[in-house]
Amino acid sequence: KNQVEQSPQSLIILEGKNCTLQCNYTVSPFSNLRWYKQDTGRGPVSLTIMTFSENTKSNGRYTATLDADTKQSSLHITASQLSDSASYICVVPDTGRRALTFGSGTRLQVQP
Amino acid sequence: IAGITQAPTSQILAAGRRMTLRCTQDMRHNAMYWYRQDLGLGLRLIHYSNTAGTTGKGEVPDGYSVSRANTDDFPLTLASAVPSQTSVYFCASSALGTDTDTQYFGPGTRLTVL
Repeated sequence: KNQVEQSPQSLIILEGKNCTLQCNYTVSPFSNLRWYKQDTGRGPVSLTIMTFSENTKSNGRYTATLDADTKQSSLHITASQLSDSASYICVVPDTGRRALTFGSGTRLQVQP
Repeated sequence: IAGITQAPTSQILAAGRRMTLRCTQDMRHNAMYWYRQDLGLGLRLIHYSNTAGTTGKGEVPDGYSVSRANTDDFPLTLASAVPSQTSVYFCASSALGTDTDTQYFGPGTRLTVL
């Protein structure tokens, strides 16, 4: 079964610090990987989308990396802000099922 | 531009009752989707529609039905609600419905079935 697993499940950091969230996937064939941010009580919002040929992609203070060989991705957040407190979800399309496979997310809390 | 709107925001429903969750998008996107999000699990696809007039089953379609009479609206109906359908429901849309398309999500409907 195609899966997307994220770690850690939750993370608490101090404002201004950096952090890295991990995503491992087994979805095959692979076409792309997305990172979404979901604020509490809101729908997910797209941060980045990476195809198999892209190793790194940045969106402001968010930088995603992809290693298609090891089937791993990471999301690095630089100089965290209180507004970064949210769940971060890794998503990989399952082309066989014509659906997105969602990880269960990493809940990040940034404290002052 | 509102993007995607969902109604109601939340609802408490007695088991056995019929319920329709509404979803409207104003982006003229071809594809629309319904997901449910349960604690500790990733979002799971219930039904989808690649274009007006067509629908398809997702990962967890049992107990749910959808229709796509026009481009903008994609209602989700629970014919006879059961407690296991307690969840947060998200509607989403994408321009073309391809694997590389970005999906845009609505604010969600929190449904409790007692």
